[in-house]
Amino acid sequence: GAVVSQHPSWVICKSGTSVKIECRSLDFQATTMFWYRQFPKQSLMLMATSNEGSKATYEQGVEKDKFLINHASLTLSTLTVTSAHPEDSSFYICSAREGKLAGVRVEQFFGPGTRLTVL
Amino acid sequence: AQSVAQPEDQVNVAEGNPLTVKCTYSVSGNPYLFWYVQYPNRGLQFLLKYITGDNLVKGSYGFEAEFNKSQTSFHLKKPSALVSDSALYFCAVRDMRTGGFKTIFGAGTRLFVKA
Repeated sequence: GAVVSQHPSWVICKSGTSVKIECRSLDFQATTMFWYRQFPKQSLMLMATSNEGSKATYEQGVEKDKFLINHASLTLSTLTVTSAHPEDSSFYICSAREGKLAGVRVEQFFGPGTRLTVL
Repeated sequence: AQSVAQPEDQVNVAEGNPLTVKCTYSVSGNPYLFWYVQYPNRGLQFLLKYITGDNLVKGSYGFEAEFNKSQTSFHLKKPSALVSDSALYFCAVRDMRTGGFKTIFGAGTRLFVKA
């Protein structure tokens, strides 16, 4: 099946710094990528949807100036947490789908996640 | 609004016994339903999906799910549980109102299988 990788798998940073998380589709072209965050013992919360070459669509309540998403190529999307605070500590998971068609025929594949800890 | 409910935070099962993880949904239109499994510090792995057709859907690792339209349920089942099945399970529905781009997840159910 299709593989999605994330880097780094975990990161610890100081409050006020910025952190970049990369999401790559290794063997397919991901025209759409999704970014989720997951708090301990909670479900995944969709943060934003990004299509290659265009601006990301953010979910209500997600600060787009704080969580910068770039989907510059068909295999790479990045999430940058700017001026990180301890409350940004979470597990961030990306997901990618191949093709531009909507619907369930186009599968969604998930990365292994990145654990961010802000001190 | 589209929503998914997993009424049990945790399910405990003895190895070899059948297991059921419950899921109910609320959608407008035809439901597109999914089950995913998550192991510690890992992303989600796809188990199975229901789009149309047979109400009993078979998926990976011996799991199956039964779609019940009248009860708006999509319970995950396995005839004989393994210790290695212990993980976090998510039920999900695809929000077709947005062109099918959004997947809405339930809160998750943690499955513990005891040897």
